Amino acid sequence: DTEVTQTPKHLVMGMTNKKSLKCEQHMGHRAMYWYKQKAKKPPELMFVYSYEKLSINESVPSRFSPECPNSSLLNLHLHALQPEDSALYLCASSQVVKRKDRHYGYTFGSGTRLTVV
Amino acid sequence: AQKVTQAQTEISVVEKEDVTLDCVYETRDTTYYLFWYKQPPSGELVFLIRRNSFDEQNEISGRYSWNFQKSTSSFNFTITASQVVDSAVYFCALSATQGGSEKLVFGKGTKLTVNP
Repeated sequence: DTEVTQTPKHLVMGMTNKKSLKCEQHMGHRAMYWYKQKAKKPPELMFVYSYEKLSINESVPSRFSPECPNSSLLNLHLHALQPEDSALYLCASSQVVKRKDRHYGYTFGSGTRLTVV
Repeated sequence: AQKVTQAQTEISVVEKEDVTLDCVYETRDTTYYLFWYKQPPSGELVFLIRRNSFDEQNEISGRYSWNFQKSTSSFNFTITASQVVDSAVYFCALSATQGGSEKLVFGKGTKLTVNP
């Protein structure tokens, strides 16, 4: 299995709703990432997990809450979002880079298109 | 700080033309990786190539070729004999180290339109 699977593919939620995005991989990758991509913009990093521990938080508002319950699964819990949070949310995984001369690249999921109404 | 610049916002060509997408990067790391991704309208990021900083050989894969010039901090991408299916946004990206973890820093992307 060489894929990163994201569910749901599309999500519409109200500003008072609580929802979760899910990301799963079975490649044995121990680094997992959440990126946010607004229309006509590049992906922007939100969070990085390394060995199931949060290692990078790019000053993301607390209405976004990541969770890595095990080495295969990454969740993004959403609560009280704003319309400007509407975007494509991309999950990625990679092997943890232990040596700077060994990097095997990133595998991205196909994303969740989130619309906040 | 690590940074990737793709100066071309949009490029439009006619099918069968060759097209080069420019990428210039900045990093203080001595070892780093550069990537190109393709993003069609459906949204998924399609991996095209990974290049490490200590291998300056150019690479060719079918109609695609990449020119890595460490002296000018550039990693340009050429599509030969472009096709309509090449229409997409193309991102150049740089691996960066932060707090002991790696992350990808993306350029702003170049939207390529190939007209029949």
